Amino acid sequence: DAGITQSPRHKVTETGTPVTLRCHQTENHRYMYWYRQDPGHGLRLIHYSYGVKDTDKGEVSDGYSVSRSKTEDFLLTLESATSSQTSVYFCAISESGRIEQYFGPGTRLTVT
Amino acid sequence: AQKITQTQPGMFVQEKEAVTLDCTYDTSDPSYGLFWYKQPSSGEMIFLIYQGSYDQQNATEGRYSLNFQKARKSANLVISASQLGDSAMYFCAMRPVSGGYQKVTFGTGTKLQVIP
Repeated sequence: DAGITQSPRHKVTETGTPVTLRCHQTENHRYMYWYRQDPGHGLRLIHYSYGVKDTDKGEVSDGYSVSRSKTEDFLLTLESATSSQTSVYFCAISESGRIEQYFGPGTRLTVT
Repeated sequence: AQKITQTQPGMFVQEKEAVTLDCTYDTSDPSYGLFWYKQPSSGEMIFLIYQGSYDQQNATEGRYSLNFQKARKSANLVISASQLGDSAMYFCAMRPVSGGYQKVTFGTGTKLQVIP
């Protein structure tokens, strides 16, 4: 299995508070991704990174920001959490020249 | 724009039987890849199989095979000899092979239940 961890694994927070989710990989893969999974929508790409300090938006990026200061870490921040951001968040990684992505275990976030 | 359609929200299969999970897609990209992932009730996403749009042969990985019909824009997953552990959600996905290939699009999934 690819070495991908996510923290925290579960979080409950209140509307309006900032939240940061962390993805850590030990594979030294170039590409990292954040997805959210919601019933009826499958997985949707929030942001991705193609190198240290190189990031770009996905299809549902509003309300989210990311940072990647080291190859192994990719942070997802909700500046001011809203109830619509209650979801399961997955981090994924992929290597240059490879098509498939490997996923972390997910973080279940509830915004009350 | 890419689109993946999985029309079967749920399916049942008898243990040891084969089952086909449907996936159709739409894309304007000339070269693309198609994937299947398995998500058991524990929640992790497990990569199963990959098919490139220019691959001459259908992909196989153990009991999994991808029935790729380019003209019909379909990429169905076939699971042979179903096992109880195959009960899970299955997601079809695609991405371009070049230029913006980070843009992976997922279907909404099919829930497979294997009956003893």
